[in-house]
Amino acid sequence: DQQVKQNSPSLSVQEGRISILNCDYTNSMFDYFLWYKKYPAEGPTFLISISSIKDKNEDGRFTVFLNKSAKHLSLHIVPSQPGDSAVYFCAASGSRGGGADGLTFGKGTHLIIQP
Amino acid sequence: SAVISQKPSRDICQRGTSLTIQCQVDSQVTMMFWYRQQPGQSLTLIATANQGSEATYESGFVIDKFPISRPNLTFSTLTVSNMSPEDSSIYLCSVERGTGNYGYTFGSGTRLTVV
Repeated sequence: DQQVKQNSPSLSVQEGRISILNCDYTNSMFDYFLWYKKYPAEGPTFLISISSIKDKNEDGRFTVFLNKSAKHLSLHIVPSQPGDSAVYFCAASGSRGGGADGLTFGKGTHLIIQP
Repeated sequence: SAVISQKPSRDICQRGTSLTIQCQVDSQVTMMFWYRQQPGQSLTLIATANQGSEATYESGFVIDKFPISRPNLTFSTLTVSNMSPEDSSIYLCSVERGTGNYGYTFGSGTRLTVV
């Protein structure tokens, strides 16, 4: 049973445009949601997170939106740059109801920025 | 935020042997997390390691196969025992970031191939 789902295996976006990556979840106990970027042969790099009590968090070119009623979140990257080409993972924590918790990951979306 | 040094970065091992992966953190942390990423799959939490207590394993992972040590607040090892080709994966350790937005930092990963 996959609790965090990224239904788009890949996404192609033109440089300078907006990239929108989507994620759905099923476990209403999750209290934090995170986005990671991963290049081949490297560990995941933290991008941004959002608490379940918020609906938006912004950090530079990255904005995460959370819709709790729909159990859906999205990552917006504006403007998209060639260096953004990577695999993006959505993750969630808090399914155990508190304390430092491991993460549950989606399967990832491969973002390709076209020049 | 915390910085993790993980080694080895990669290894090719014979089936039936064991490999120990090390993670060193540049600050004291309460919990360290170990993940596995099988080819083409997402990251899956193996276990959570607290200093001074037994590691807590996720469903499908057992101590005999993945023994973990946590001798102090900056170091942990994961051993992959009696390896088979199905153990070929990337193994990663992770800790809380410690600063800024809520999140976790990952090591660079150990790419294990079992032949």
